[in-house]
Amino acid sequence: GENVEQHPSTLSVQEGDSAVIKCTYSDSASNYFPWYKQELGKRPQLIIDIRSNVGEKKDQRIAVTLNKTAKHFSLHITETQPEDSAVYFCAARVPSGGSYIPTFGRGTSLIVHP
Amino acid sequence: DARVTQTPRHKVTEMGQEVTMRCQPILGHNTVFWYRQTMMQGLELLAYFRNRAPLDDSGMPKDRFSAEMPDATLATLKIQPSEPRDSAVYFCASGLVSGGGPYEQYFGPGTRLTVT
Repeated sequence: GENVEQHPSTLSVQEGDSAVIKCTYSDSASNYFPWYKQELGKRPQLIIDIRSNVGEKKDQRIAVTLNKTAKHFSLHITETQPEDSAVYFCAARVPSGGSYIPTFGRGTSLIVHP
Repeated sequence: DARVTQTPRHKVTEMGQEVTMRCQPILGHNTVFWYRQTMMQGLELLAYFRNRAPLDDSGMPKDRFSAEMPDATLATLKIQPSEPRDSAVYFCASGLVSGGGPYEQYFGPGTRLTVT
C-alpha cells in the first residue's frame, strides 16, 4: 500500500518567516495530494490540494509543489502569522476501484512565535 | 453550512464496556471514513464506506471493532470490549465521489474516547 512520510514533525518559526513542510510518497499511482490543517482540539480541514497533472498551486500565502518524478510534495507558507500555528497533515490518494483511499502523513506541528 | 456531526463528543468508559460512536455524514455525500487519531500513530484509517457498502476495513482490529452504515444518514463505529489502548480521538469524515475524480473529505468534530 501507499506510504507517506512527512517532515519535520515539529517546526518552529518567527512571525513573518516562511515555513516549508515536506512529504514523500511511495506509490507512483497516487494522483491527488491534499493538505489539512488541524488546530488544537478541532477537526482537520482542507487548506489546499494539488493533482498529479499540476506542478504547483498557490492560494494567497499558501503554495504546494509536486515533483512526480521524485515522488515528493511540499507545503509552503509565507509571511507566517500566529494563527498559522497548528498541525498540518499531507495525504496521498491512490485510485482504488474508482475510489480514492487516502494515506496521511504523521503530521507537522507548526509553531509561529509572535 | 453543512457539517459532519458526531456523537458523543466525549466518552469515558471502563475497560470491557461497549462503546458506540455515531456519525451523520453531510447529506448527499456517498463516502464515509472512520479514523483514529493518537499522538503515537497519527491519523489511522479504520474503515471506508461508499454508498453504504464497506470497501476497506483493513485498518480496523476485527476482533473488537465493527463499523456499519444502517442508512445513508448514519454511520456507527462500535468497540466491544473496549481496552485502554483504544483511548484516542475518533473522527468520521464524508465526501462526494463523482466521476472517479478527487474529492474533499469533510471531517466531523471527533469523539474523544478515554478507556480506564
